Amino acid sequence: KQEVTQIPAALSVPEGENLVLNCSFTDSAIYNLQWFRQDPGKGLTSLLLIQSSQREQTSGRLNASLDKSSGRSTLYIAASQPGDSATYLCAVTYYGQNFVFGPGTRLSVLP
Amino acid sequence: NAGVTQTPKFRILKIGQSMTLQCTQDMNHNYMYWYRQDPGMGLKLIYYSVGAGITDKGEVPNGYNVSRSTTEDFPLRLELAAPSQTSVYFCAISDRGLHNEQFFGPGTRLTVL
Repeated sequence: KQEVTQIPAALSVPEGENLVLNCSFTDSAIYNLQWFRQDPGKGLTSLLLIQSSQREQTSGRLNASLDKSSGRSTLYIAASQPGDSATYLCAVTYYGQNFVFGPGTRLSVLP
Repeated sequence: NAGVTQTPKFRILKIGQSMTLQCTQDMNHNYMYWYRQDPGMGLKLIYYSVGAGITDKGEVPNGYNVSRSTTEDFPLRLELAAPSQTSVYFCAISDRGLHNEQFFGPGTRLTVL
């Protein structure tokens, strides 16, 4: 059974800091990996989707990388802002299969 | 273009009651999903549909039923509510395949007492 883990479970940083969130998966034969943001009491917002043939994707201050051989993805957030405070979830999928979600990392960016 | 809408936003049920959670999309995506999210846990797939008239079980289907008569709607039915079904329920959609990018609704917070 595929499993997805995210460490740390929670992270608190001062505003302006660059930070990295980690996502690990047990089966390296992934098809896609998607990063989401979830604000308290809200649904999930798609941030980035990385296909298995890609090494990274960028959107504004966000950069997600994928290393299939080591079973890891990282989400890099540059120059963090209080508005970045949220829970960040990653999810992986394999061809023809549904997504498997990690438990998320709760990020707090302090002013 | 609202994307994915879910109703109700909140609901409290008594043990043994039944209810239907509604999910509607206006993006004409074939694939629709129901997830539940428990505190501190990742999302668990309850049921999914690859098109009108076709549904299949996910990881945690017990206690739930679904139907898909149109492309737009994918209701989730709880027949005999139990405290273990207290959770936040999310509907999601994707286009062209189970493994493609998913888009989520705002969720329904359900409490069973």
